[in-house]
Amino acid sequence: GQQLNQSPQSMFIQEGEDVSMNCTSSSIFNTWLWYKQDPGEGPVLLIALYKAGELTSNGRLTAQFGITRKDSFLNISASIPSDVGIYFCAGSMYSGGGADGLTFGKGTHLIIQP
Amino acid sequence: DAGITQSPRHKVTETGTPVTLRCHQTENHRYMYWYRQDPGHGLRLIHYSYGVKDTDKGEVSDGYSVSRSKTEDFLLTLESATSSQTSVYFCASGTGVPNQPQHFGDGTRLSIL
Repeated sequence: GQQLNQSPQSMFIQEGEDVSMNCTSSSIFNTWLWYKQDPGEGPVLLIALYKAGELTSNGRLTAQFGITRKDSFLNISASIPSDVGIYFCAGSMYSGGGADGLTFGKGTHLIIQP
Repeated sequence: DAGITQSPRHKVTETGTPVTLRCHQTENHRYMYWYRQDPGHGLRLIHYSYGVKDTDKGEVSDGYSVSRSKTEDFLLTLESATSSQTSVYFCASGTGVPNQPQHFGDGTRLSIL
């Protein structure tokens, strides 16, 4: 099946630093999504991308849908303690919200050191 | 939030017993999904439904069955649970319409001894 390669697996950063993570795929996706998961909770949607080349921001978060449709990145600027968690990329072959289900990366575990 | 409730939130059971997990959504979403989350694997799709009584298999469907008799409820059944099915199970729902992605419940932690 399709696979998403998400990197890095984990990040140890200082508060205030910028963060960058990315996902790549051997297959083309028509939707890229970024979710954040806190312990004991379900993934929460951060940013959705529907068009190749699209660059979208949500506060301190910025994500881009790669022009080849095979990659996406997420940047977090000026990290704060509540940014701690696991970040997942997800893709779908459908142009909508992923009617046939999503393929997920394995996650990036973000840890902020005081 | 999309108003998705999963029950139970935690369950411990023995190998060979049947287990049913329930997902209930109040958004009248057409699409519903079951995923499992395991360390080192992220979330993987088990089954999904595109309408009442309409379901299809996902990436890791072996050993699982689903049913959807009402728009708001999607049941996941392990007919005879095995230890390899110990996992955290997440339900999601969505409209399938562009610009309206899936939203997730808070998960069910299932332990099979």
